[in-house]
Amino acid sequence: GAGVSQSPRYKVAKRGQDVALRCDPISGHVSLFWYQQALGQGPEFLTYFQNEAQLDKSGLPSDRFFAERPEGSVSTLKIQRTQQEDSAVYLCASSLKPLGDTVKNIQYFGAGTRLSVL
Amino acid sequence: AQKITQTQPGMFVQEKEAVTLDCTYDTSDPSYGLFWYKQPSSGEMIFLIYQGSYDQQNATEGRYSLNFQKARKSANLVISASQLGDSAMYFCAMRENQAGTALIFGKGTTLSVSS
Repeated sequence: GAGVSQSPRYKVAKRGQDVALRCDPISGHVSLFWYQQALGQGPEFLTYFQNEAQLDKSGLPSDRFFAERPEGSVSTLKIQRTQQEDSAVYLCASSLKPLGDTVKNIQYFGAGTRLSVL
Repeated sequence: AQKITQTQPGMFVQEKEAVTLDCTYDTSDPSYGLFWYKQPSSGEMIFLIYQGSYDQQNATEGRYSLNFQKARKSANLVISASQLGDSAMYFCAMRENQAGTALIFGKGTTLSVSS
């Protein structure tokens, strides 16, 4: 497709389960971002990839969160031993150029994965 | 301190009217970018408009314009001739060049357009 695709759209997990969220960015986009959006809040940055390299993971809230983009295209955000506070919408975004090229780095978002941890 | 402040939790407007959504920001970086996104109930964040700190003119994109007042550190979004489909959450966001970070978002404003 032409846009950023995320799957699944909805995920219900029992506390303690591991989950994997997938992001398929726009073809050819170098940069890929993950954000976490709590209910009624703006998105908050989690991590950034330039091609397959994870250049910034400063926003990951704990070592239970892990992201990868092994071939510089599709990315997976994995959350181990999920907790109730992990319930949120996880948004993926991609942009054409590396983050450092220009401050005008337009990010295009997917529709997100809504994670509910029971 | 909040980097991006959106003080209007909700705004109501009638079709065909213009509406202004407020955004103030805080940065000491001379080079930065300001972005507005729309998030309908479907969840996808849709890019609307961009303003660079060095841009001399206010940005415009169709019915969207950005009222950029650099000295006041405000970047208000103006939507002209509102349509029912404009009902959504609107987020102001910033990127600071030196910090090299991704986007920093405000808490958003819910816009409701009625007929």
